[in-house]
Amino acid sequence: QVTLKESGPGILQPSQTLSLTCTFSGFSLSTYGMGVGWIRQPSGKGLEWLANIWWDDDKYYNPSLKNRLTISKDTSNNQAFLKITNVDTADTATYYCARIASTTVALFDYWGQGVMVTVSS
Amino acid sequence: DIQMTQSPASLSASLGETVTIECLASEDIYSNLAWYQQKPGKSPQLLIYDASSLQDGVPSRFSGSESGTQYSLEINSLQSEDAATYFCQQHHDYPPTFGGGTKLELK
Repeated sequence: QVTLKESGPGILQPSQTLSLTCTFSGFSLSTYGMGVGWIRQPSGKGLEWLANIWWDDDKYYNPSLKNRLTISKDTSNNQAFLKITNVDTADTATYYCARIASTTVALFDYWGQGVMVTVSS
Repeated sequence: DIQMTQSPASLSASLGETVTIECLASEDIYSNLAWYQQKPGKSPQLLIYDASSLQDGVPSRFSGSESGTQYSLEINSLQSEDAATYFCQQHHDYPPTFGGGTKLELK
């Protein structure tokens, strides 16, 4: 059974760095073809892809945010991480991590429950 | 970036009816199109991938089709639990992009 769960600070101030953790089970990021992605959704709005990381440590970022994003993984502990630097109120959203179906660019077949992040002074 | 234009933004239908939601890709995505269902307060769930393949466990009243760069999600025999927002997403190329969503309300 594949499960993912996000965790984060809940609230942070503008200009700070947002650190998110995705803890998953039922698959391994050391397995060929496996990947994890991060997607966010402002309240009442659409979905925005942020970044992917693959079993071979290959990484892809949304160009619109690339300079602010860092994705990483801890294979031993079944975790993936996302950092967003210099946050602004526009980064207020629910952040999801999701497993990427093998051999696809970014087909998200299992999603976490999401973690709400508020950026406010 | 590949733009995904989804329509309508919202629709209202009755139990038992059939509805269709559409997504137009700005370029050829070679059937690499997924549909997700999102209920209020929940995360998106994958319904259909590769334009017309049903994800395991998804009821057969959901179906997907394509015509050129136009992709469609059809829901037959609407049930109360189908009230949700539906998103399309191209998984052909980076960056993966989503449609704006369609909110389906049951009368």
